[in-house]
Amino acid sequence: GAVVSQHPSRVICKSGTSVKIECRSLDFQATTMFWYRQFPKQSLMLMATSNEGSKATYEQGVEKDKFLINHASLTLSTLTVTSAHPEDSSFYICSASPLKGSQGLETQYFGPGTRLLVL
Amino acid sequence: GQNIDQPTEMTATEGAIVQINCTYQTSGFNGLFWYQQHAGEAPTFLSYNVLDGLEEKGRFSSFLSRSKGYSYLLLKELQMKDSASYLCAVMDSNYQLIWGAGTKLIIKP
Repeated sequence: GAVVSQHPSRVICKSGTSVKIECRSLDFQATTMFWYRQFPKQSLMLMATSNEGSKATYEQGVEKDKFLINHASLTLSTLTVTSAHPEDSSFYICSASPLKGSQGLETQYFGPGTRLLVL
Repeated sequence: GQNIDQPTEMTATEGAIVQINCTYQTSGFNGLFWYQQHAGEAPTFLSYNVLDGLEEKGRFSSFLSRSKGYSYLLLKELQMKDSASYLCAVMDSNYQLIWGAGTKLIIKP
């Protein structure tokens, strides 16, 4: 159980275009979903936390107008990278939890990640 | 500031034992996690320690000393599939997860 999927697994796009990444919890209801970014040989950086039906909470330094997060249902969250630039190229990982708050962080299940390359 | 330190890379031999250390300085402590991450994949949960001592799970064990701000992950009977990065993460007093940069473990036959 506790499977999280992400789509697409890889995407290449041109600079200036927008890219949408989907994160789905397949066999549980995800009260909380987290979006991370990871650059090569670096640690995971939390970008934002989203609770179903409410606005996402963004970490300091993450532009909410550039990284649009929608947690429309208990099984789906989307991250849209708007007007992507080469420096946005990274590995984007979502995680989902059936719990809220700190318990959500303790019991998160990770998706397989999406590798974004912006040319 | 908050900091998680772990070695960048380690090499070990198949069948042997390896210990990956993690030291942390955080504002408060609400638990320490170890994750395994294969190249190009998302992390998978290995262990969670919130009290001092050793937690054993099959070939993997994790140790915590809160007074020393120190943890280690012990891998026994190493297999080639254990080649991966091992991430240490600490939950601080604000229930934020602070991640280390990971230790890349290379297993040689």
